[in-house]
Amino acid sequence: AQSVTQPDIHITVSEGASLELRCNYSYGATPYLFWYVQSPGQGLQLLLKYFSGDTLVQGIKGFEAEFKRSQSSFNLRKPSVHWSDAAEYFCAVGPSGGYQKVTFGTGTKLQVIP
Amino acid sequence: DVKVTQSSRYLVKRTGEKVFLECVQDMDHENMFWYRQDPGLGLRLIYFSYDVKMKEKGDIPEGYSVSREKKERFSLILESASTNQTSMYLCASSPRTGTGDTQYFGPGTRLTVL
Repeated sequence: AQSVTQPDIHITVSEGASLELRCNYSYGATPYLFWYVQSPGQGLQLLLKYFSGDTLVQGIKGFEAEFKRSQSSFNLRKPSVHWSDAAEYFCAVGPSGGYQKVTFGTGTKLQVIP
Repeated sequence: DVKVTQSSRYLVKRTGEKVFLECVQDMDHENMFWYRQDPGLGLRLIYFSYDVKMKEKGDIPEGYSVSREKKERFSLILESASTNQTSMYLCASSPRTGTGDTQYFGPGTRLTVL
């Protein structure tokens, strides 16, 4: 069965600092991997996804993520955080075919301080 | 832009009531999903549907049922609401192309069962 672990429940960073959110997955084959963001009071929005090819994936809002098969990781990064990035971030894994039953992690809440 | 709408942002019901949560998408997507979101637990899949009148149980279907009579509409039904069903409910839709499709989320319905 597929699963996702986000080890950090809550992270606080200063505005302008770099950010890395961790995600580890478990899946038997090459998975599809996603990062979604949920701003307060909103639904989830896709930041980026990986399903093949280049292991460094660029997304919206200046985010990127790197797929590392050997470490079963898909960490999200941003070089310089803005106050508007304060939100909850979810990593997700899905199968490489068939119906799109995606498994989400428990989320990491990001706080940005001035 | 894909739009997923949910019938209510906030809902308060009493124990034992039958509750209907409605979700409508306007992008002709084949797949639709119902999740519940609880602090520390992330998103958990209740049911999904990959076609009209088709449904599949997710990870936590107990106490819920669904209906999909039209492609654009997916309803979640709580037959007899209980206090442990107090939660945020998120609906999502996605196309079915088999290539790691993005799920598009509605804004959520925060349900309180008293």
